[in-house]
Amino acid sequence: NAGVTQTPKFRVLKTGQSMTLLCAQDMNHEYMYWYRQDPGMGLRLIHYSVGEGTTAKGEVPDGYNVSRLKKQNFLLGLESAAPSQTSVYFCASSPQGKGANEQFFGPGTRLTVL
Amino acid sequence: GEDVEQSLFLSVREGDSSVINCTYTDSSSTYLYWYKQEPGAGLQLLTYIFSNMDMKQDQRLTVLLNKKDKHLSLRIADTQTGDSAIYFCAESIWGGYQKVTFGIGTKLQVIP
Repeated sequence: NAGVTQTPKFRVLKTGQSMTLLCAQDMNHEYMYWYRQDPGMGLRLIHYSVGEGTTAKGEVPDGYNVSRLKKQNFLLGLESAAPSQTSVYFCASSPQGKGANEQFFGPGTRLTVL
Repeated sequence: GEDVEQSLFLSVREGDSSVINCTYTDSSSTYLYWYKQEPGAGLQLLTYIFSNMDMKQDQRLTVLLNKKDKHLSLRIADTQTGDSAIYFCAESIWGGYQKVTFGIGTKLQVIP
């Protein structure tokens, strides 16, 4: 099993450009998450999904959109990139239910917006 | 709201014990976690503790939870250079899904 994979690993954008980050998981998890990690800020939740076809806003959703058309994929879109969106983006997935629900993380995408 | 605080940096000598501390604010937390992040990688769960437990031991790792003071600690016995990483404390609250709030991470440096 590959676990959680993310593409691309690195990307440089100019202000105003758009892009989509792809997250895929092969563990049949119901829940998926997008976080951003910034120095001194820890991980902040951007959007999450509790199942195929459903998405919800997290702590810092502005400037991002997401889609979960297939259970195994969770896409994060930036319609018009801004320098404030320079960050490392992590996708995670977890099983359903009220248990401890370990989150499994992808390796991250390092995005720089010039 | 939920908030998790931890110190930024800890330096220990190889073979010594490391203790990483964390405080959290929400008394309705269900689970508390310790995640490890190695350079250039995502987070990986090290261990977790259910909120009605006081202690959990797993090989070299000991987690202590003081629910009254909302204090969580991770002790790593016989710390090795391979333990050098960033350690994140996190709490979860059930709200239709396990909503997890992470601390900013403690960077552990192990000196040979």
